[in-house]
Amino acid sequence: GDSVTQMEGPVTLSEEAFLTINCTYTATGYPSLFWYVQYPGEGLQLLLKATKADDKGSNKGFEATYRKETTSFHLEKGSVQVSDSAVYFCALSDSSGSRLTFGEGTQLTVNP
Amino acid sequence: NAGVTQTPKFRILKIGQSMTLQCAQDMNHNYMYWYRQDPGMGLKLIYYSVGAGITDKGEVPNGYNVSRSTTEDFPLRLELAAPSQTSVYFCASRSQQGVGNQPQHFGDGTRLSIL
Repeated sequence: GDSVTQMEGPVTLSEEAFLTINCTYTATGYPSLFWYVQYPGEGLQLLLKATKADDKGSNKGFEATYRKETTSFHLEKGSVQVSDSAVYFCALSDSSGSRLTFGEGTQLTVNP
Repeated sequence: NAGVTQTPKFRILKIGQSMTLQCAQDMNHNYMYWYRQDPGMGLKLIYYSVGAGITDKGEVPNGYNVSRSTTEDFPLRLELAAPSQTSVYFCASRSQQGVGNQPQHFGDGTRLSIL
């Protein structure tokens, strides 16, 4: 079945550092890929998405490119802020489009 | 725009009690979902629905029941609460437009402890 593997956390960075959170997936067909962010005590919010190979999703300085050849969707940001501290989830839709499969999540802490 | 609303936000139950977690959305979404999130873990799908009157099991349905009598509401029922059901429960909804490329919208969660 479908699966998503994220790099293990937690990740701790200093403000203005470069961020990469790795995400690889296994799926049949052509899934859509998503990154969600969860701030403390809140539900998940969509951060960005990509729906086909070579698409780049971007939002709030975060970017991720849908790489079908490496089955990856790594999240990057050039300069993180303290306010980016949260848990980040990579997810894919199944072939029917009705369900999401989530990775385990990566806790990011950014120190001033 | 309220989006997805979950009630209650917090609840403590005794073993063997029952309760219903409420979820309502005002976006006219056909798809609705229930997840549980255990500490330090990702989300596991409990049940989902693709429209009123239609429900299906997810990865971890045991111990739970759902119903979907209207487009807006998707309650989750715990019949005999067990300590293993201590978790944070999230409800989500999604538009049916576009196969798989529409994001899910999440509520703020219900934090449930069973003692």
